[in-house]
Amino acid sequence: GAVVSQHPSRVICKSGTSVKIECRSLDFQATTMFWYRQFPKQSLMLMATSNEGSKATYEQGVEKDKFLINHASLTLSTLTVTSAHPEDSSFYICSARGVAGAANSPLHFGNGTRLTVT
Amino acid sequence: GENVEQHPSTLSVQEGDSAVIKCTYSDSASNYFPWYKQELGKGPQLIIDIRSNVGEKKDQRIAVTLNKTAKHFSLHITETQPEDSAVYFCAASKGGANNLFFGTGTRLTVIP
Repeated sequence: GAVVSQHPSRVICKSGTSVKIECRSLDFQATTMFWYRQFPKQSLMLMATSNEGSKATYEQGVEKDKFLINHASLTLSTLTVTSAHPEDSSFYICSARGVAGAANSPLHFGNGTRLTVT
Repeated sequence: GENVEQHPSTLSVQEGDSAVIKCTYSDSASNYFPWYKQELGKGPQLIIDIRSNVGEKKDQRIAVTLNKTAKHFSLHITETQPEDSAVYFCAASKGGANNLFFGTGTRLTVIP
C-alpha cells in the first residue's frame, strides 16, 4: 500500500534556530501534500497545502514566512520551521495524495514529527 | 467552511463488544468520508472510507454508514480487541484534491 515517510520522527532544537522536516511518498507520486499540526489530545489542524512545482497555500492564521514549504519533486515536500520558539512545539504531520488521474485517492499520513523547542 | 463534530470523545468497551463512533458534518457538498486510527506517537492510518454514492461499507470487523440527508456518518467496530484501542478520527472532504476536515477524535479503550 501507499507509504508516506516523514523524517525526523523527533527533534529538539533551541529557540531561534530553524528545523526542517521532510515528507516523502515512497511508492507513489504525490502532486499534493498537506501539512498538519496537532497539539496534545487535539485534532489535526491543516496548516498548508503543498503542490509540486508551485507555491504552497496556507490556511488562515498560519505564517508563511515562519513555516516555509517546498515541494520540489513529486515525492518530496519539506516544512521548515524558521526561528522556532517554544510555542511552535507540536506534532507536525504530513499527508500525501496521488497524482492526477487518482484525484480521489485517499490521503495517507506520515508518522509525524514531534518538535520540541527549548 | 466545513465543520465536523465527533462523539463521544472517549469510549470504553469490553473486549468482544461493539463500538460506535458518530460524526456529523455541515457542508452538503462534502462527498468523501474517511476514518483514521491514530496510535500514540504515530500518524493517522486510514482504516475505511466511504463516498456519498454509497450508504454503507464494510471491511471485516469495521463498517461505516452514511446518511446524506441527515449529514451524519458512523464507524462501527464489532468484536473489539485490545489492539483496537487508539484515537479514531472521522473526516469529511469535497473529494478530489480538496483537504480533509477532521473531527475532534474519539479515544477508544478496549478492556481485556
